[in-house]
Amino acid sequence: DAGVTQSPTHLIKTRGQQVTLRCSPKSGHDTVSWYQQALGQGPQFIFQYYEEEERQRGNFPDRFSGHQFPNYSSELNVNALLLGDSALYLCASSLVLTDTEAFFGQGTRLTVV
Amino acid sequence: KQEVTQIPAALSVPEGENLVLNCSFTDSAIYNLQWFRQDPGKGLTSLLLIQSSQREQTSGRLNASLDKSSGRSTLYIAASQPGDSATYLCAVRRTTSGTYKYIFGTGTRLKVLA
Repeated sequence: DAGVTQSPTHLIKTRGQQVTLRCSPKSGHDTVSWYQQALGQGPQFIFQYYEEEERQRGNFPDRFSGHQFPNYSSELNVNALLLGDSALYLCASSLVLTDTEAFFGQGTRLTVV
Repeated sequence: KQEVTQIPAALSVPEGENLVLNCSFTDSAIYNLQWFRQDPGKGLTSLLLIQSSQREQTSGRLNASLDKSSGRSTLYIAASQPGDSATYLCAVRRTTSGTYKYIFGTGTRLKVLA
């Protein structure tokens, strides 16, 4: 079992650009959540996807958007990047019917310059 | 609004010491509480998960307790080792309209000196 996989592991972008991060959930999982972790802080919930729909959203602007595909994988898109978007982006997967815990990927480190 | 606080923010101890990390949360209506370990620049590794109906969980040298009524959890690490050096995050899981999400504390950075 490969667990939750994220790509790429590191990314450097320029202010104003757009970025897409990818996540493949743990085998058998159908729900994907995205978190942003700024340096020295705990992860903050961005949004969650289930059945290709956004179920809940945290306190993040519309520049952050996502998508879930029929195979349950997911993308996080961030438009008009700001320096403050520099962070570790974590993906977590779970199974909605027996939702006791989520499993996290290794994250994508995004640096905006 | 649920808030999670971890004390201390940082801790440095000599190898072999037993230590306690603290986590407090403001709203007792949680689904479960989970302790994670995070190495620098890496993802989260789950250590212990305590369901809201449970009082404690143990795994090897780790023991976590939960007191919902007082909004507190502690992570006890016995006989600490340099390999335990990492950031430890506490997270409560709650449901809103059927959606489960984690609310994290800011973590305790632990350094175990050889």
